[in-house]
Amino acid sequence: AQTVTQSQPEMSVQEAETVTLSCTYDTSENNYYLFWYKQPPSRQMILVIRQEAYKQQNATENRFSVNFQKAAKSFSLKISDSQLGDTAMYFCAFMKHGDGTASKLTFGTGTRLQVTL
Amino acid sequence: NAGVMQNPRHLVRRRGQEARLRCSPVKGHSHVYWYRQLPEEGLKFMVYLQKENIIDESGMPKERFSAEFPKEGPSILRIQQVVRGDSAAYFCASSSGQRANYGYTFGSGTRLTVV
Repeated sequence: AQTVTQSQPEMSVQEAETVTLSCTYDTSENNYYLFWYKQPPSRQMILVIRQEAYKQQNATENRFSVNFQKAAKSFSLKISDSQLGDTAMYFCAFMKHGDGTASKLTFGTGTRLQVTL
Repeated sequence: NAGVMQNPRHLVRRRGQEARLRCSPVKGHSHVYWYRQLPEEGLKFMVYLQKENIIDESGMPKERFSAEFPKEGPSILRIQQVVRGDSAAYFCASSSGQRANYGYTFGSGTRLTVV
């Protein structure tokens, strides 16, 4: 079974600054996918970024980037130029490679990020 | 292009009543997933369905909970004889099978409160 650990229950960052959210996971799988989801107060789960384990290059989506360390089983999210709208819960999630079939997500417990003026 | 639609948004039930949660997936998606989020926790997988079939129900409590995804109409998560511990946000997500590993599309959830 897979586990995902987010060790930072809460983080705070000033607007325009950079913040990094940590995530570690445990799995015996070699092929898998990692995700960061954002959950603002509206409760909607929004996909922020996705990483394929067999790709060494770190994924980037505008102000969001990851530091994927496969050997260390670490998958941190960096938010650059933080904006007030980034205030939300952030969840790290793991999905096994399913040979083209759908699979379930295993989530961490989340990090609450507050962006301040 | 509507996303995943869940209704109701909020549902209040007395202990012992039935709760019925509905989920209409993104048009063209044939895979539906249900997750439960307890207060201050991450989402926990409950069940994965394709049209008319349950593929994986390993996260579903053995009693009182059932799910279906009929050929026509929305997916339904049914909780019979609700108890206070069932109070949570229930999220539905959908995907086309081949694209699941690109991340699902989630609905906004149904918040169930049992009084």
